[in-house]
Amino acid sequence: NAGVTQTPKFQVLKTGQSMTLQCAQDMNHEYMSWYRQDPGMGLRLIHYSVGAGITDQGEVPNGYNVSRSTTEDFPLRLLSAAPSQTSVYFCASSRTNSGNTIYFGEGSWLTVV
Amino acid sequence: QKEVEQDPGPLSVPEGAIVSLNCTYSNSAFQYFMWYRQYSRKGPELLMYTYSSGNKEDGRFTAQVDKSSKYISLFIRDSQPSDSATYLCAMSANGNNRLAFGKGNQVVVIP
Repeated sequence: NAGVTQTPKFQVLKTGQSMTLQCAQDMNHEYMSWYRQDPGMGLRLIHYSVGAGITDQGEVPNGYNVSRSTTEDFPLRLLSAAPSQTSVYFCASSRTNSGNTIYFGEGSWLTVV
Repeated sequence: QKEVEQDPGPLSVPEGAIVSLNCTYSNSAFQYFMWYRQYSRKGPELLMYTYSSGNKEDGRFTAQVDKSSKYISLFIRDSQPSDSATYLCAMSANGNNRLAFGKGNQVVVIP
């Protein structure tokens, strides 16, 4: 009964390094998305996907790339990490057009030094 | 102006009190309104969901939506220490993953 699984849970990066945050869901959901949560800012949408092969930008996409090659996986790539990307990242998934069943992962804490 | 406004000020109440939380929004296209509860170092979990205007009750929780005023509320009756968490309002225009969140309210229920 995994739901939405995010890895790693904690990561420290040096400025300029790249990395990928992994997200996987086992509920056959079409919709997946990435949010970041910063103190005093709430959750902000980075990128989202409405199905395999389809992605789009959210509110704060700069510095991040995504791809959706399968229904289950939606990785978030940081191309060249910056201290401003220090944040908590949440992956979410849901069935198509079902605002009442959006499931979030446990979060990935990222620190860029 | 941010799409969703939620006063993030921490709220401390004694056990058994009524907790009242609210959010305002500016986008009249929003139709789906949600409240999430988030415990420390955990992901948000859906607490209440309302479509369009009206009230919804689930146990000790009541969600209200007033689309004419662009105002939503969450009430927690008979608050318990286990209700201590951050509460986030969220809304969307078409019910998918593209949610707009408020900043969140930290609630502490004191035994």
